[in-house]
Amino acid sequence: DTEVTQTPKHLVMGMTNKKSLKCEQHMGHRAMYWYKQKAKKPPELMFVYSYEKLSINESVPSRFSPECPNSSLLNLHLHALQPEDSALYLCASSQDRGEGMKPQHFGDGTRLSIL
Amino acid sequence: GNSVTQMEGPVTLSEEAFLTINCTYTATGYPSLFWYVQYPGEGLQLLLKATKADDKGSNKGFEATYRKETTSFHLEKGSVQVSDSAVYFCALSGMNSGYSTLTFGKGTMLLVSP
Repeated sequence: DTEVTQTPKHLVMGMTNKKSLKCEQHMGHRAMYWYKQKAKKPPELMFVYSYEKLSINESVPSRFSPECPNSSLLNLHLHALQPEDSALYLCASSQDRGEGMKPQHFGDGTRLSIL
Repeated sequence: GNSVTQMEGPVTLSEEAFLTINCTYTATGYPSLFWYVQYPGEGLQLLLKATKADDKGSNKGFEATYRKETTSFHLEKGSVQVSDSAVYFCALSGMNSGYSTLTFGKGTMLLVSP
């Protein structure tokens, strides 16, 4: 069982829909991450939150909007997505910012399909 | 910048065979090194880690040694099982705008047949 929980596991949406992905961890981690993973590729970093503040945005299009309501929750709001946004979206958390020796723990992801 | 190079897959082995997946890296400073495993339909699971030169990470029969002189972190297992079939990612941690982030290799698929 993973300690990072992501919901939903699967999501199919049209290009005009608005939906949200959710991520929750109860390990007391203060850094949380969103990644996008296409088939047969490694994860690509999208956003980093540290102490509930957005710290890194890897030039992600504005149709992806992250939110960190508290230290345990991380959301990714989706609006007007394109077919090329279909992918596995992974959430991860780690113990603290700047602690390179502390590994990131990943959820099982949300598999997103854009029609 | 940081980079990780892994051997191309798929690696196809028979059960009980010896496994080596090569990983080399380029980095500034002293990164921590990780192996993650991704089973079909799942997220990434941390398999093992090493935080400094000559450290050996081990878990579930897998081992990797942090070799600074050769900038390598090769994954090994003495006897693979069918259940080890998965994609394996080598990764290093580095600083990005003051925050620790991961740089991944491209991944190596392992297929183990009975």
